Amino acid sequence: DQQVKQNSPSLSVQEGRISILNCDYTNSMFDYFLWYKKYPAEGPTFLISISSIKDKNEDGRFTVFLNKSAKHLSLHIVPSQPGDSAVYFCAASPTLSNAGGTSYGKLTFGQGTILTVHP
Amino acid sequence: EAQVTQNPRYLITVTGKKLTVTCSQNMNHEYMSWYRQDPGLGLRQIYYSMNVEVTDKGDVPEGYKVSRKEKRNFPLILESPSPNQTSLYFCASSLHRDPAYEQYFGPGTRLTVT
Repeated sequence: DQQVKQNSPSLSVQEGRISILNCDYTNSMFDYFLWYKKYPAEGPTFLISISSIKDKNEDGRFTVFLNKSAKHLSLHIVPSQPGDSAVYFCAASPTLSNAGGTSYGKLTFGQGTILTVHP
Repeated sequence: EAQVTQNPRYLITVTGKKLTVTCSQNMNHEYMSWYRQDPGLGLRQIYYSMNVEVTDKGDVPEGYKVSRKEKRNFPLILESPSPNQTSLYFCASSLHRDPAYEQYFGPGTRLTVT
């Protein structure tokens, strides 16, 4: 049972345009959401995160939006650059107050979306 | 240089032959975790540790063991590997015990079990 889903396996955009990557989750105990970026032959690297008490978090060209009622988050990259071409994973975690004894400490990832930014 | 190291980077082995993948971090991080990456399934957490001598199961722990005897090391042990454990494995660590904080990943270990 995939609790975090990225339904688009790939996305192709033109340099300078906006990239929107989407992520849906089913577990209402998730309180914290993160995006990681992965280049080939490297480990993932942290990109940006958001707590469930917020609906938006911005860091330079990257903005994450959270719609808690829809259990949906998205990552916006504006403007997109060829160097942004990578696999993007969303991830979710329950906080201690929500998790209970058995799931605190767990991090659940989505399947990933391959972003290609064309020059 | 602050980093997470994994060894070996590549490993081909046969079914049933016990193996260990080492993971070490030099950042004095509290939290360490193992993930496997498979096509179409993304990253899945195998085991994690929030403290020395404390380990917990992730979503796919079957067939794996871990230990956390020292803060810096978190080896992944496959007692009797099977072909369905062929995968790309990542170790990660975080300063905080909560995985909601940024994790630093190692470069990965590609394991093939024949």
